[in-house]
Amino acid sequence: KAGVTQTPRYLIKTRGQQVTLSCSPISGHRSVSWYQQTPGQGLQFLFEYFSETQRNKGNFPGRFSGRQFSNSRSEMNVSTLELGDSALYLCASSLYTTGPSGNTIYFGEGSWLTVV
Amino acid sequence: AQSVTQLDSHVSVSEGTPVLLRCNYSSSYSPSLFWYVQHPNKGLQLLLKYTSAATLVKGINGFEAEFKKSETSFHLTKPSAHMSDAAEYFCVVSDPPNFGNEKLTFGTGTRLTIIP
Repeated sequence: KAGVTQTPRYLIKTRGQQVTLSCSPISGHRSVSWYQQTPGQGLQFLFEYFSETQRNKGNFPGRFSGRQFSNSRSEMNVSTLELGDSALYLCASSLYTTGPSGNTIYFGEGSWLTVV
Repeated sequence: AQSVTQLDSHVSVSEGTPVLLRCNYSSSYSPSLFWYVQHPNKGLQLLLKYTSAATLVKGINGFEAEFKKSETSFHLTKPSAHMSDAAEYFCVVSDPPNFGNEKLTFGTGTRLTIIP
């Protein structure tokens, strides 16, 4: 069974450009979340999607946006890139259940974004 | 608001000796707690999770953690360190499973170094 797949793995962009990152969750998983990892701020929650609806959003500016498609694949977009957006962007997926055993959340290997 | 505090940013142990990585949590509810590991240039791998079942949780690769409500702690242990355990470890908290969201709040991480 394939894991969470993120593309591209590495990319370099120029300040002011925009970028789109893609995430394919594990087959059958309907919940997808995105996180940003930087040396200074650590791992921070960006947003969470379930059945094409954003359920939760972190404290990031509006330049950061995302969406989820009917096949559960998700994309995140960052517009007007700033140097501080350089980070590892991690996608996670889960089956999603409210049962007592909770959810097991699986992470992809991330997309490394460098803004120059 | 929920939070976790990882008490050590860096831990060094000799191969074959016990590992202890400390984590305290703060939550208004009975939270779900996780430990994730990140090897260099890799994504996050789930070691174990606690969701209000047994307070002693066994994970992969010989790791285990004990949930202590009175001490608000969730320390990670392993009886005997192996060279392959060298990595960054994250203590993570989320709302209880029945809250219907999967936002994870990460600690700042503990870098584990294994001395040959």
